[in-house]
This record gives sequence, structure tokens and C-alpha cells, in this order.
Amino acid sequence: EDKVVQSPLSLVVHEGDTVTLNCSYEVTNFRSLLWYKQEKKAPTFLFMLTSSGIEKKSGRLSSILDKKELFSILNITATQTGDSAVYLCAVGGLGTYKYIFGTGTRLKVLA
Amino acid sequence: EPEVTQTPSHQVTQMGQEVILRCVPISNHLYFYWYRQILGQKVEFLVSFYNNEISEKSEIFDDQFSVERPDGSNFTLKIRSTKLEDSAMYFCASSEAGRPYEQYFGPGTRLTVT
Repeated sequence: EDKVVQSPLSLVVHEGDTVTLNCSYEVTNFRSLLWYKQEKKAPTFLFMLTSSGIEKKSGRLSSILDKKELFSILNITATQTGDSAVYLCAVGGLGTYKYIFGTGTRLKVLA
Repeated sequence: EPEVTQTPSHQVTQMGQEVILRCVPISNHLYFYWYRQILGQKVEFLVSFYNNEISEKSEIFDDQFSVERPDGSNFTLKIRSTKLEDSAMYFCASSEAGRPYEQYFGPGTRLTVT
């Protein structure tokens, strides 16, 4: 059965800290992995990863995929209180538009 | 920045009633999806829609569910006879023609079935 596991489930840090969120997966014929930031409403698209070892970067956020070890990490440097959210990882396989989501990591950044 | 919109933000209905959840995808997007998230659980795929037909559906998407693109801008999810277990946040998502796997989500409709 396909599955996506995120860790840690929750994390509390102070402003300025760097955090690393993990997403491991077992999916038949992997195609792509998505990261989202979910605050009160819509999951906001962050990154799509399809190839191993190529870092995607947007400001203080970056992400990389390891298709051999079947995981991805999302790094946030110099965290701010506005980074407080649930971060979702979703994985899709070939031949389907369906994504399987993890339970998310709840990040709280304290001032 | 273009975004997916959904109405209503919250819908309360009685068991057995029909509900229609509405979505306006991003204007140049051609792939449309519905997902749901039961409180405290994972986001789950329901259905994908392209070229005016369902391209894929999950086992959750049974005969009680239907989707429609009634015009050039709206995308709807109908639940014919709601059950208590249909209570969830329903997210609409869309993606553009050249990037069907980059899915952009709307803010969701919270459906409460009493």
C-alpha cells in the first residue's frame, strides 16, 4: 500500500532557528513529490520535486529529493513567526493525478 | 496572483440532504480535482476531471458523489444524500495544461452534516 510518512509530527522553535522537516514515502512508480504550507485555509503550493539531488529553493525555504532512499526534506532557515503552519508532503505515482498526503508537520515558531 | 476560490466557506446540512460545493479554478487551468480532509486526518483524493470528464476517482467517490463543470468557470461537487461521515473540509484544486501535477488548492469548504 502506498504511504507517506512525515516527521516530526510537531515542532516548536524560536525565531531565527533552522528547521528540517522530513517526508518519507513508499509509492508505486514514483513520479513527483509536492510540499505545501497549510495555515488556516488553503494548502499553499511550495515545491514540486521530481529528480533526485536537485535542490529547489525559494527564499528561506529549500527542498531536496532522494529517490534512492525514498525521502525528501524541507529546510527553513532563519525561521519567522509567519512560518508557523502545517507543512504537508504529497506524493504521486506514474499514470495518476492522485496525490497521497502525509499527516503533516505542525511547526510553531516562537518570537 | 490568481487563486482557486470556493463557496461557501462553511455549509451545514442535515443528513440525507443534497449539497453542492462550488469552486472557481484558476482561469487558464484545465485539470480540476476534489480532495477532502476529515478533521484530524490526512488530505484524501476524491476525483480528477479533465476535458469534461472524470479522469480518475478514488474508492471514496461512490455513486453519492458527482462532479460537473456547468460553464467555463465553475467546477462543482455534489453529494446527493449526505451522511454524518461526509463531514469534512473539501478542497478544490486545479492545475494548468502543461503542468498537471502542480496542483493549486482553494481555501476549502467546511461541510458539517448534522
